[in-house]
Amino acid sequence: IAGITQAPTSQILAAGRRMTLRCTQDMRHNAMYWYRQDLGLGLRLIHYSNTAGTTGKGEVPDGYSVSRANTDDFPLTLASAVPSQTSVYFCASSDGAGGSDTQYFGPGTRLTVL
Amino acid sequence: GQNIDQPTEMTATEGAIVQINCTYQTSGFNGLFWYQQHAGEAPTFLSYNVLDGLEEKGRFSSFLSRSKGYSYLLLKELQMKDSASYLCAVSSNDYKLSFGAGTTVTVRA
Repeated sequence: IAGITQAPTSQILAAGRRMTLRCTQDMRHNAMYWYRQDLGLGLRLIHYSNTAGTTGKGEVPDGYSVSRANTDDFPLTLASAVPSQTSVYFCASSDGAGGSDTQYFGPGTRLTVL
Repeated sequence: GQNIDQPTEMTATEGAIVQINCTYQTSGFNGLFWYQQHAGEAPTFLSYNVLDGLEEKGRFSSFLSRSKGYSYLLLKELQMKDSASYLCAVSSNDYKLSFGAGTTVTVRA
């Protein structure tokens, strides 16, 4: 069982470029999430999707967009990357979107914007 | 916004016990999670508390007091492999998780 996969593992990107981070889960989980993790700040929610076809904004959504065309995939797009988007990005999924649903995390993508 | 506080760093000796505290002020409460994160890896689930009291899972235990907005994670019989960051996360009114900045635990021989 692969769980959650993310691609790429790491990326160096020039400012102003467009970038899509990929996330795929094989657990048939309904809910999926994108977080960024920065030193001293912890994980912050960017966008989420409670079920296929729906998305919502988290704590830090500006500069990012998501889509959820099917259950398995939840790509995160940076339309025009800026240096402040340098971070480690984690995708997560949970069976449901309730308060007790455990979130399971992918291995992360380390993104550097120059 | 949500406010979740935990110590930045803790150091302990192999075989000892360490207690990581977490205090929170959130808009509603639907449970508290603890995750472990080794350097360069993904967070992995350790425990979930929604009712007051102590939940024990082998060497790890987690305690919750909702009236005090307080939780702790207790790591017993520390092993070198327990060196990691421990993340406290609260599920609030919108069922989304808010994370603390994490506590880095270093286990020394």
